[in-house]
Amino acid sequence: AQSVSQHNHHVILSEAASLELGCNYSYGGTVNLFWYVQYPGQHLQLLLKYFSGDPLVKGIKGFEAEFIKSKFSFNLRKPSVQWSDTAEYFCAFYGNNRLAFGKGNQVVVIP
Amino acid sequence: GAGVSQSPSNKVTEKGKDVELRCDPISGHTALYWYRQSLGQGLEFLIYFQGNSAPDKSGLPSDRFSAERTGGSVSTLTIQRTQQEDSAVYLCASSLVVAGGSGANVLTFGAGSRLTVL
Repeated sequence: AQSVSQHNHHVILSEAASLELGCNYSYGGTVNLFWYVQYPGQHLQLLLKYFSGDPLVKGIKGFEAEFIKSKFSFNLRKPSVQWSDTAEYFCAFYGNNRLAFGKGNQVVVIP
Repeated sequence: GAGVSQSPSNKVTEKGKDVELRCDPISGHTALYWYRQSLGQGLEFLIYFQGNSAPDKSGLPSDRFSAERTGGSVSTLTIQRTQQEDSAVYLCASSLVVAGGSGANVLTFGAGSRLTVL
């Protein structure tokens, strides 16, 4: 069965700290990988995506993610967070006619 | 439209009543999805439409749940005889790329319909 695992569901950090959110997936086919973000009171928005090619992808607002096929991972990073990065972050992959999501990481950035 | 539109944004109903939730996808998007978001359960896939047909209904939690799509556009999710455990935010998403095609599927989500069953 396809699945996505996200670790450290709740993350609290100070502004300017670095952020890394882990994501591991389980799927036997070719995957398209995504990170979505949900800011407080807002709807899910695409942060970045990986289809093929360079395994290091850059998204909006300074976020990047690295696809490591051998580890079935697609970790999200940002070198220096801002208060406005407070949100819930979801890792997902597309397979079998759907996006399969992880449980999400609730990130709180303290000013 | 410019985005995925869902209505109502909020719905409070009594246990046992039927509810209908509507989704208007981005114009021209052939694929449409319904998800449910609830505390502790994350984002659960419910159903996928390609055009007007639903090749994958595997996520519908019970036979009280049904969905249809007409004209390759608007979709309605119907929950019959609502139960308290149906309380959640129901999200609709659409995408342009045909499932199974060579491209990737980038889903655009609506703001959701928050359902509260008393």
